[in-house]
Amino acid sequence: DAGVIQSPRHEVTEMGQEVTLRCKPISGHNSLFWYRQTMMRGLELLIYFNNNVPIDDSGMPEDRFSAKMPNASFSTLKIQPSEPRDSAVYFCASSPGPNEKLFFGSGTQLSVL
Amino acid sequence: QQQVKQSPQSLIVQKGGISIINCAYENTAFDYFPWYQQFPGKGPALLIAIRPDVSEKKEGRFTISFNKSAKQFSLHIMDSQPGDSATYFCAASPSYKYIFGTGTRLKVLA
Repeated sequence: DAGVIQSPRHEVTEMGQEVTLRCKPISGHNSLFWYRQTMMRGLELLIYFNNNVPIDDSGMPEDRFSAKMPNASFSTLKIQPSEPRDSAVYFCASSPGPNEKLFFGSGTQLSVL
Repeated sequence: QQQVKQSPQSLIVQKGGISIINCAYENTAFDYFPWYQQFPGKGPALLIAIRPDVSEKKEGRFTISFNKSAKQFSLHIMDSQPGDSATYFCAASPSYKYIFGTGTRLKVLA
């Protein structure tokens, strides 16, 4: 298996623009997570899906952030409008089940100018 | 109560030495304690994990020591190698929600 695949690897955008990050989890994994990593706050859980259903979105910073999982093999994280403070590395991770080993993608480095 | 405190923030070790990273938690509901290794430009990867029913787990050069009464756990890297140079994160979880430590940047000198 190719592991968790994220795209794009790097995204540079201007403040106010819409940003969409994409994730393909490992086939057969029922749980999908979006994390954000910054120097100041470390790794933070943004949202957790189980069987394509959002279970916990309490980490989503504000309404500008939204996430979807239309099927078991694809998820998106959207930021609209983007702000400079959203600059971070965004990771997607999947696992076979809720409390099992997490497999992380390589992340998307987002820079909002 | 949801925090996991990790120390030190950075660590420099000579090749062949022992690297020790410590973590402490407060929430007694945590029942899974993994350690993740992250190289620059990559996502974290699971290194080793322990559950509180054992006090120690060893996999190759990596050992987790767990002290349930003190609510502390640590990662020991024996015979540290330059290839071990990376950032290490401890985590604790009661279920799906991992609480990560702030990370330790390890540099192993050749």
